[in-house]
Amino acid sequence: SSELTQDPAVSVALGQTVTITCQGDSLRSYYGSWYQQKPGQAPVLVIYGKNYRPSGIPDRFSGSTSGDTASLTISGAQAEDEADYYCNCRDKSGDHLVFGGGTKLTVL
Amino acid sequence: QVQLVQSGAQVKRPGASLKVSCQASGYTFTDYYIHWVRQAPGQGLEWMGWIGSKRGDTNYAQKFQGRATMTRDTSIGTADMVLRGLRSDDTAVYYCARGDYGSGKYYYYYMDVWGKGTAVTVSS
Repeated sequence: SSELTQDPAVSVALGQTVTITCQGDSLRSYYGSWYQQKPGQAPVLVIYGKNYRPSGIPDRFSGSTSGDTASLTISGAQAEDEADYYCNCRDKSGDHLVFGGGTKLTVL
Repeated sequence: QVQLVQSGAQVKRPGASLKVSCQASGYTFTDYYIHWVRQAPGQGLEWMGWIGSKRGDTNYAQKFQGRATMTRDTSIGTADMVLRGLRSDDTAVYYCARGDYGSGKYYYYYMDVWGKGTAVTVSS
């Protein structure tokens, strides 16, 4: 199992707000990053650092960290947000990077 | 535009070696790291390691230390990943990704440009 723990699946009604979490000891010392992956496609960076969005990522995506938990919030989820979401951060030792197990987001 | 173009799909026998190449374009190659990430069928993302494009420094996930080798050629802006001693559970899509890091209250690392992936099948 990963050092970063994510809920396997989350659902949200269209237009509502959803938060996906990632828990791990290393998040007390490092910010994480978040990736969206749709079936058959490469991952896409959506949030990194304290709360930075790459160019082209809608502002409904935001990030935060509290204690050992990083959160990705989608405010007003759209049908196109249905995807797998992965967090990434340094591992507990601080030597390497590690991904969370991923969260499958369903937009109802 | 900034892009990473990966080499094509491969089929390998158990015990063989795999080489995946990643051609960068549209940015200064030596300003960023190259990460390698793989994804087995129906599974999540797995970070394999990174190589610093300027100095060639490497950092491998413990699982791949001794079995993976990452190199780069700054003259042509390419990065390669060799994985030896292939097993059936190495069947996966292998991605290269451009990486960087920053700091504020804490350090952070990210991969902002990804190749389309190279499908590798290991089968006898």
